Amino acid sequence: AQSVTQLDSQVPVFEEAPVELRCNYSSSVSVYLFWYVQYPNQGLQLLLKYLSGSTLVESINGFEAEFNKSQTSFHLRKPSVHISDTAEYFCAVTIISGSARQLTFGSGTQLTVLP
Amino acid sequence: EAGVTQFPSHSVIEKGQTVTLRCDPISGHDNLYWYRRVMGKEIKFLLHFVKESKQDESGMPNNRFLAERTGGTYSTLKVQPAELEDSGVYFCASRQGTGYTFGSGTRLTVV
Repeated sequence: AQSVTQLDSQVPVFEEAPVELRCNYSSSVSVYLFWYVQYPNQGLQLLLKYLSGSTLVESINGFEAEFNKSQTSFHLRKPSVHISDTAEYFCAVTIISGSARQLTFGSGTQLTVLP
Repeated sequence: EAGVTQFPSHSVIEKGQTVTLRCDPISGHDNLYWYRRVMGKEIKFLLHFVKESKQDESGMPNNRFLAERTGGTYSTLKVQPAELEDSGVYFCASRQGTGYTFGSGTRLTVV
């Protein structure tokens, strides 16, 4: 079975400061990795994903995440945050083999950007 | 393309009543999933349909929960009778390849 740990439940940060949201996973088989974001009163939206290839993946709004196989991590970073980045962020994994592809989520990190 | 639609967006019911949640996936997506988030905890898998067939229902909490997917199109999740601990946000997602799309969720409150 897989598990995902998001070490920080709440991350407050000032506007234009850098931020890192941590995600570690455990799996005995190869996985795909995802970050989802949930803005207030909205559903889950895909932020970025790692399937294969370059271990550094980027989103269109300036976030990036790096897959580190040796440390089983997939931390999310942004060099300069905006007020509009305030949201809850979820790390998730799914195993590559088979067709089920159900997602296993972490418990979420609430990012609050302060003016 | 239209996204995944869930309704109602909110439902408040009394303990012991029945509630039915509906999910309309993206047209052509054979895979449909239900997930639930209870009281700020992690989002947990409930079950997985491939077309109209239940592929995996290992996450269903108990037999008060019944999911169906008529003709491989929309899906319903019925809770009967509802208990206080069923309160939470129920998400539906459909998938094609590695592309999951989630609905906005149904917030269920059992009082």
